[in-house]
Amino acid sequence: GAGVSQSPRYKVAKRGQDVALRCDPISGHVSLFWYQQALGQGPEFLTYFQNEAQLDKSGLPSDRFFAERPEGSVSTLKIQRTQQEDSAVYLCASSLVGNGGAYEQYFGPGTRLTVT
Amino acid sequence: AQSVTQPDIHITVSEGASLELRCNYSYGATPYLFWYVQSPGQGLQLLLKYFSGDTLVQGIKGFEAEFKRSQSSFNLRKPSVHWSDAAEYFCAVGIYSGNTPLVFGKGTRLSVIA
Repeated sequence: GAGVSQSPRYKVAKRGQDVALRCDPISGHVSLFWYQQALGQGPEFLTYFQNEAQLDKSGLPSDRFFAERPEGSVSTLKIQRTQQEDSAVYLCASSLVGNGGAYEQYFGPGTRLTVT
Repeated sequence: AQSVTQPDIHITVSEGASLELRCNYSYGATPYLFWYVQSPGQGLQLLLKYFSGDTLVQGIKGFEAEFKRSQSSFNLRKPSVHWSDAAEYFCAVGIYSGNTPLVFGKGTRLSVIA
């Protein structure tokens, strides 16, 4: 089966533009995570879904960031009025297990966003 | 809150030499511990994980890691490095119960020379 896929792989946006980043998790995976990875840094948590419910959005850096997963499968991370500090790689990960139990997260290739 | 420290930003080893990448974590309860590898332009690939049981865990590509609770460490080792191992390595910690976000270290970049 296919792994986690993300599109687009690269996105260049002018400051002030809105962008939408898509994540297709592994089929049947319950949980979906978004992380932001700045250049030379480790990934940092943004938000987490279990099925269609957004259970934790504490890592979203501002109210310009919005994520959804309306049918419990594909997820979209939207950034409004992009700023230069939003330039980063956005990673999506999915995992099979819901609450409780051992789990591992499978990562997609990421979307590299450059804001000019 | 959990935290992960990878003290070495960049390590260079000769092909065929042994490797140890250090990872220290801070978490009050039993952690889930992971090592991921990231090649340029690629996503994160899981090398190995520790949930419970034997503190020496084996992973893919000949890697192993040892969980030492007394030292709050989870160091990654490989007896003989190959040129293809050159990449960025990330240690991560998750909470024991529940499916929760991972906390990553800043990574160690591994260079391999002939």
